[in-house]
Amino acid sequence: NAGVTQTPKFQVLKTGQSMTLQCAQDMNHNSMYWYRQDPGMGLRLIYYSASEGTTDKGEVPNGYNVSRLNKREFSLRLESAAPSQTSVYFCASSENSGQPQHFGDGTRLSIL
Amino acid sequence: GESVGLHLPTLSVQEGDNSIINCAYSNSASDYFIWYKQESGKGPQFIIDIRSNMDKRQGQRVTVLLNKTVKHLSLQIAATQPGDSAVYFCAENRNYGQNFVFGPGTRLSVLP
Repeated sequence: NAGVTQTPKFQVLKTGQSMTLQCAQDMNHNSMYWYRQDPGMGLRLIYYSASEGTTDKGEVPNGYNVSRLNKREFSLRLESAAPSQTSVYFCASSENSGQPQHFGDGTRLSIL
Repeated sequence: GESVGLHLPTLSVQEGDNSIINCAYSNSASDYFIWYKQESGKGPQFIIDIRSNMDKRQGQRVTVLLNKTVKHLSLQIAATQPGDSAVYFCAENRNYGQNFVFGPGTRLSVLP
C-alpha cells in the first residue's frame, strides 16, 4: 500500500518551459490536493479536487492548472514556468473534505 | 529553549525530556485542528487531531491541548526521542471545508 505517490521527485526547468507533476493515491480517497511549500512558510493550497470530475482554486492558483484524470490521479501543470514557482510541491488526499490529509513525499522543483 | 531561526522557530530539548510545541491559530470559527510531523525530505505525517468540542486529546506519547479563548493549540511530546526531531506544524479547518490553513511550523531538535 503506497499511499500517495508523486513523480518526479526532483526537476530543474528553465524559465518558460512547461511540465506536469503527477500524483496518484491508492486509498480510494475522494478528495485530492496540491500544495506548495516555501521556506519559512506553511503549506499553501494551489488547487483541490473535492471529488472525481471537479476541481477548484485554492489560495495560490495563478500560473497552474490541474486535471483530475480519474479517482486515483490528480496532476498539476505549469504551462510557462517562472522562477517564483521554485518550490517543493506536495500532493495530498483525504477520504472527504475536512478530514486528515495523507501526503506524498513531494516534488522539488527548481526554475532557473 | 525556544528561539527564532532564520526561517522557523526552533525548539531544542534534551533526549528524554518533554517537549511542548505551540501554535496560534487564526480563525476563531475553526473547529478542527491537526498536528503534522514533517521529517527532512518527506511529506507531512498526521500525528493527532482534536475537534473544538474538546480541550485535550491524548495519543501515544503525544497530547494536544486546545484553548479556544486565546486561539492557542499545543502539542506535548513525552520522553522526547531522537526520532522526534522534525518540523511540526498545526493546521486548522472550519466546518469540514476543503481548505486547511497550515501554520509555518516549529523545528524540534533533540539533543543527545
